[in-house]
Amino acid sequence: KAGVTQTPRYLIKTRGQQVTLSCSPISGHRSVSWYQQTPGQGLQFLFEYFSETQRNKGNFPGRFSGRQFSNSRSEMNVSTLELGDSALYLCASKIEGANIQYFGAGTRLSVL
Amino acid sequence: AQSVTQLDSQVPVFEEAPVELRCNYSSSVSVYLFWYVQYPNQGLQLLLKYLSGSTLVKGINGFEAEFNKSQTSFHLRKPSVHISDTAEYFCAVSDVERSGNTGKLIFGQGTTLQVKP
Repeated sequence: KAGVTQTPRYLIKTRGQQVTLSCSPISGHRSVSWYQQTPGQGLQFLFEYFSETQRNKGNFPGRFSGRQFSNSRSEMNVSTLELGDSALYLCASKIEGANIQYFGAGTRLSVL
Repeated sequence: AQSVTQLDSQVPVFEEAPVELRCNYSSSVSVYLFWYVQYPNQGLQLLLKYLSGSTLVKGINGFEAEFNKSQTSFHLRKPSVHISDTAEYFCAVSDVERSGNTGKLIFGQGTTLQVKP
């Protein structure tokens, strides 16, 4: 069974641009969560999607948004990029009702 | 609200020596506890979990952890480390009541384990 797949693995953007990251969960997993990892703030929960609906949200500005498609694939979007958005963005998926999440390798975003 | 504190940001140790990575948590509700490992340029891999039952849990790669409810701790141990154990380790909690229906994990700041030859 394929794991959680995140694309692209690396991205370089400039301030003010927007970016879209993609996450394909493990087959059969309908819950997808996103996390931001930075050296200063560590791992922080961004949001979670289940059945195409956002059902949990972390403490991030509205520039961070996401969506989930009917096949459970998810995208997150960051608009008006700031230097501080440089981070590793991790996606995780799980089966509804289960307690274990499985993480992808992440997308490393660099904002110049 | 929950919080997780990993007491050591870096732990240097020689190969074949034992190691303990410390984790304390704070929560007003019951929690599940997890340890994840992150190798360079990779995502997080689950090492072990405590959901219920025996407070001593064993995970992959020879790691184990002990849940201590009175001390709100979940320390990770390995009796003999290898060079390949060099990585960053994260302790995390999730709310028991909501765990099945939410993907939200609260992570500690991480501990870098440096195994020296």
